[in-house]
Amino acid sequence: DTVMTQSPDSLAVSLGERATINCKSSQSLLYSSTNKTYLAWYQQKLGQSPKLLIFWASTRESGVPDRFSGSGSGTDFTLTISSLQAEDVAVYYCQQYYTTPYTFGQGTKLEIK
Amino acid sequence: QVQLVQSGAEVKIPGASVKVSCQASGYTFINYHIHWLRQAPGQGLEWMAIINPSGGSTSTAQRFHGRVTMTSDTSTTTVYMDLISLSSEDTAVYYCARDPGWDGRRSGWFDSWGQGTLVTVSS
Repeated sequence: DTVMTQSPDSLAVSLGERATINCKSSQSLLYSSTNKTYLAWYQQKLGQSPKLLIFWASTRESGVPDRFSGSGSGTDFTLTISSLQAEDVAVYYCQQYYTTPYTFGQGTKLEIK
Repeated sequence: QVQLVQSGAEVKIPGASVKVSCQASGYTFINYHIHWLRQAPGQGLEWMAIINPSGGSTSTAQRFHGRVTMTSDTSTTTVYMDLISLSSEDTAVYYCARDPGWDGRRSGWFDSWGQGTLVTVSS
């Protein structure tokens, strides 16, 4: 199985500041024939179902604020929140869909400093 | 709007089985795959399986082979997930989620989620 490892496990950032979450996969998620990277990001607030933020590593889902951005290629990826808002407190997960079983990182808990 | 509504919480004894339903609305049911995932208390997300509601073809993660069965009912736009031989390790919130891949293809990510169904396995 493809192992997804996120860092850090938890993060405290001041309101208005930048938050950066990293994700590393045990194999490349770039599919050469499509030149696409098979990685998604989700946000899960306490007591709620996960919500899709980003797919293809950097494409924002419709309705997601543009302060959320995804970057990276191959095996190393980053989710950036450019200016943290109070409503961004959540656990964030990366997920690979390059191959089944689809797998997730362990999650990064984001809090307000 | 797309909505996935799951059945209510269940309490089961070890060795029993559970059936969780997921009723879809707001889109053309047969055009999109449905995934099942789970999340143990305080833990991360785990992908279990996928079903194509059109035709009923399925694919299951190896660790659930032989224990998970999925079916779909196009008349009620509902998919079902059966999990047998439950143990305490199966205590989790189970989610259904839609794959946004269009017209029978699957994308592999999940754009809409059910509210989750808590399954508790305890003697």
